[in-house]
Amino acid sequence: AQKITQTQPGMFVQEKEAVTLDCTYDTSDPSYGLFWYKQPSSGEMIFLIYQGSYDQQNATEGRYSLNFQKARKSANLVISASQLGDSAMYFCAMRVARGSTLGRLYFGRGTQLTVWP
Amino acid sequence: GAGVSQSPSNKVTEKGKDVELRCDPISGHTALYWYRQSLGQGLEFLIYFQGNSAPDKSGLPSDRFSAERTGGSVSTLTIQRTQQEDSAVYLCASSSTSGAHNEQFFGPGTRLTVL
Repeated sequence: AQKITQTQPGMFVQEKEAVTLDCTYDTSDPSYGLFWYKQPSSGEMIFLIYQGSYDQQNATEGRYSLNFQKARKSANLVISASQLGDSAMYFCAMRVARGSTLGRLYFGRGTQLTVWP
Repeated sequence: GAGVSQSPSNKVTEKGKDVELRCDPISGHTALYWYRQSLGQGLEFLIYFQGNSAPDKSGLPSDRFSAERTGGSVSTLTIQRTQQEDSAVYLCASSSTSGAHNEQFFGPGTRLTVL
């Protein structure tokens, strides 16, 4: 079975500081993708960053980077230089490549990030 | 290009009524997904369409829920005899393929309130 765990229901960070949002995952499938989505109060789900299970390097997209530790099954999101507009709910998600659950995303419960001035 | 669109954005209905929620995926995307987001349950997978293959209905919570996808494009999620526990935001997503390494793009959602 596939599972995503986000243990931080809420996080606070001061503007311009970096913050790490934790995510651990569990799957027996060797081929999978890990995703982070941002959901502001408006409700839209915004794709941020992707990491493939076979990728050798950590993914980066602008101020977002993914700290991928495969042996520990963790895929933490690092946001550098936080901005007030980063305040939102952040979801870690996984897709696997094979089996009856092909294609669907498995989501964690999310972490509510608040950036304060 | 246009993203995933959903309609209506909000729907208020009375318990026992049927509702239809519509999703228009990104043009050319063969995979389409429905999820439900509620306070107590987080994000739940409902159903998944991939091309002309039989849909994966494993996430539908009861036989009151059904979905179809016409012509490989627009999808409709139907909830019959709505119950108060059906109140949630229903999110549609599409993806260029069902592969593990392609992101899903989400629509703005339909907020369903069952009175």
